[in-house]
Amino acid sequence: EDQVTQSPEALRLQEGESSSLNCSYTVSGLRGLFWYRQDPGKGPEFLFTLYSAGEEKEKERLKATLTKKESFLHITAPKPEDSATYLCAVQAFLGQLIWGAGTKLIIKP
Amino acid sequence: GAVVSQHPSWVICKSGTSVKIECRSLDFQATTMFWYRQFPKQSLMLMATSNEGSKATYEQGVEKDKFLINHASLTLSTLTVTSAHPEDSSFYICSALTGLAGPRQFFGPGTRLTVL
Repeated sequence: EDQVTQSPEALRLQEGESSSLNCSYTVSGLRGLFWYRQDPGKGPEFLFTLYSAGEEKEKERLKATLTKKESFLHITAPKPEDSATYLCAVQAFLGQLIWGAGTKLIIKP
Repeated sequence: GAVVSQHPSWVICKSGTSVKIECRSLDFQATTMFWYRQFPKQSLMLMATSNEGSKATYEQGVEKDKFLINHASLTLSTLTVTSAHPEDSSFYICSALTGLAGPRQFFGPGTRLTVL
């Protein structure tokens, strides 16, 4: 069964404290893995797409990596404005997207 | 580029009325759009896939007669919640699929529906 699991459910960090969010997946025929950021009351904002194991992408303080079983979203020296829910989604072979439940990230000043 | 808009951003209606939500891709054409709903503190739940010029494909458990989807052009899809009831209150989000730089979905800002 295709499945995406994100951990932890919630993460509280001090400003400047680096950490990682995890997205584990089992899917038949991975076509792509997507990371999104969602602020309360808004639609998700696209961050990254990863297509194959070993691929990495960076944007400001965020870096996404991919293996055959999981993806990590590393956040380096986070700031309060990085607080949001981070969603991971996997696109399976037939095109359907399977979503994780998200990780709520809170950065305290 | 790749901006998706939704209208309205929020709507309050009485039970039994119908509500139409528009989803537009502003600077690209999208043959495929998706409609999601999101309950508080939960992840997105796909309701249906909307393909331009053909009938929408609904996910299991989603009533197609209650949630009418029309994708009449390459830049516009509409979701009509018919005879809305309080349990339909939710955050509805659309997304549009583009093949630019690899398959990628861009999301609209969402529509908050409250049914009294």
